[in-house]
Amino acid sequence: DAKTTQPTSMDCAEGRAANLPCNHSTISGNEYVYWYRQIHSQGPQYIIHGLKNNETNEMASLIITEDRKSSTLILPHATLRDTAVYYCIPKGGSYIPTFGRGTSLIVHP
Amino acid sequence: EAGVAQSPRYKIIEKRQSVAFWCNPISGHATLYWYQQILGQGPKLLIQFQNNGVVDDSQLPKDRFSAERLKGVDSTLKIQPAKLEDSAVYLCASSPNVARITYEQYFGPGTRLTVT
Repeated sequence: DAKTTQPTSMDCAEGRAANLPCNHSTISGNEYVYWYRQIHSQGPQYIIHGLKNNETNEMASLIITEDRKSSTLILPHATLRDTAVYYCIPKGGSYIPTFGRGTSLIVHP
Repeated sequence: EAGVAQSPRYKIIEKRQSVAFWCNPISGHATLYWYQQILGQGPKLLIQFQNNGVVDDSQLPKDRFSAERLKGVDSTLKIQPAKLEDSAVYLCASSPNVARITYEQYFGPGTRLTVT
């Protein structure tokens, strides 16, 4: 399974874009990159996933580099409610998803 | 659609006692997971079920932890006897059939266990 490296913590001003990086240099060809977040005292919440093309949904955008060794989750207009721990998880069809420590994002007024 | 339900939300027990957690996944989801999340860490998978069969339980401490999903729907996770280091949040998640190439997991709110 691919290993990931994420910053321990980041902060962002409300209304600005939050760009959360993830390094997954050992990702294999059939592993998707999933992003989840966990707001305090709640279970993790699925955000977005992608294989090699950039993806966008109502929550976020996912930019994956051409060599697939890293990706960036973008929250285009962060709000206070986006304060959470964000997990980047490479996952193949039958692989057991492994959560690391993630990035603690603090959105401040 | 209703989300993943878990109960109880909080439980405090003394060491060496037993405890059980219950999970009801999203209707129609074939795959069910139990995770343990210790404070300050990411969730760690304990066991994965596909319908009522175990797919992976390699990280389940089988001397004290057990889990079942008898009818392929609800699941229970039991700890007997509990140790202090079992204090954690126990999360249940479900996802559609694992045969799909990609699938996201839906998590319940978790059960916070404190062992004193």
